[in-house]
This record gives sequence, C-alpha cells and structure tokens, in this order.
Amino acid sequence: QVQLQESGPGLVKPSGTLSLTCVVSGVSISTSHWWTWVRQPPGKGLEWIGEIFPGGTTNYNPSLKSRVTISVDKSKNQFSLKLNSVTAADTAVYYCARWTTLTATLDYWGQGTLVTVSA
Amino acid sequence: DIVMTQSPLSLPVTPGESASISCRSSQSLLHSNGNKYLDWFLQKPGQSPQLLIYLGSNRASGVPDRFSGSGSGTEFTLKISRVEAEDVGVYYCMHALETPYTFGQGTNLEIK
Repeated sequence: QVQLQESGPGLVKPSGTLSLTCVVSGVSISTSHWWTWVRQPPGKGLEWIGEIFPGGTTNYNPSLKSRVTISVDKSKNQFSLKLNSVTAADTAVYYCARWTTLTATLDYWGQGTLVTVSA
Repeated sequence: DIVMTQSPLSLPVTPGESASISCRSSQSLLHSNGNKYLDWFLQKPGQSPQLLIYLGSNRASGVPDRFSGSGSGTEFTLKISRVEAEDVGVYYCMHALETPYTFGQGTNLEIK
C-alpha cells in the first residue's frame, strides 16, 4: 500500500522559506516515478508546483521556478519542497503525490498540509 | 502553458440521474503515440484529490463503472451515470501532456 505523508511548519513568516517533507511508504522512492508537489489555496483550485525523478532530475512550474527547490533523500525514502521569499499568496494546502509514467497520472496523493504565510 | 477550461462550474444532480462534465484544452492532448493525456480527479469534501480516469478513458483501480471518460484532442467529457450521494465533491480535469501540468477550475457536484 503506497502512502505519502507531508510534514512541516504550518506557519511561515512573509519573505521566509517554506519547507515541507513528504515521507513515502509502501514503495521505494528509487523506483521510476516522478515525485510531485501540488498546492491548493483555500477555496481555490489546484496548481502543479514541480517534480523530481530519483536520479535528481527536476521540472518546475515556470511561475514558481525562481523560488522553488525540490530534492530527494533516498536514505530516508522522502522528498522535500523549499519555496523561498514567500508571501500571503503562497498560503495553501500543499500535497505531495506520485506520478506514474505508464499511466501518465498522479495516482497516489498525501493528505495535504496547510501552510499559512503570516507575520 | 496549456489552459484547461471546465463547464459547468456548478452541477446540481438528483440521485439516480446522470451527470456530465466538460473539459476543453487550449491545445490538443492527443499524442503521436495515440494516447490522450487527460486525467480526471474527484476531491471529496475535506479530502485530497483521488484519481478517477487516466489517459482520457481508463478508470483507475476501484473506480465504479458508473464513471466514464471520453473525448477527442481538445474536448473531453466525464460522465457519471446513476449519481449517488457519495459522488459529491469537486471534479478536476488535468492535462498530462507536458510540464507544467495544469488543472481545470473544478466542477462542484452537489446533490439536489
């Protein structure tokens, strides 16, 4: 049973850095999947943030690319998101998910974690 | 970026009736390999999105056959036959052709 679980601070100050981790269980993160971050501002729709392949290759949303870093820690079977210079517009529920190339979709999602940007 | 447009944005349905959601993409999602790179998700209240349909018309594991997906290069439809109370939530289409993947605005299905 594949499971993903996000964790990290629920409150970040403006201009600070948002840092989240997604722990993967039930499958090795070293398998051929893209490990992905998606966010959802309160009451709004979904936005794809970016993804990482186990070898370290990343793809980012151009709208966030200058502020985003996604990394993977194979020893802990987890991957992480860092978003710097945050503003209130970055307040959202952040989801980690698994992208499977064969089916070209996000087939497993974490439960999500709310991050609020506020002083 | 590919723009995804859904309609309607709100969909009240009587239990037992059928419902359809439309999703239009700003460019064709039909790949030269024959696959249509369009997925459908359902986000039930208070939950994370769950996969319903991938590659345009393939039901994900455990999804009832009341759900079906169809479409061409830029026009796609999710049909739900015999709507049940448990189908309430927001439905999203997402293109999977190239990064950045983008989602439709969402369609809020509610029970009359």
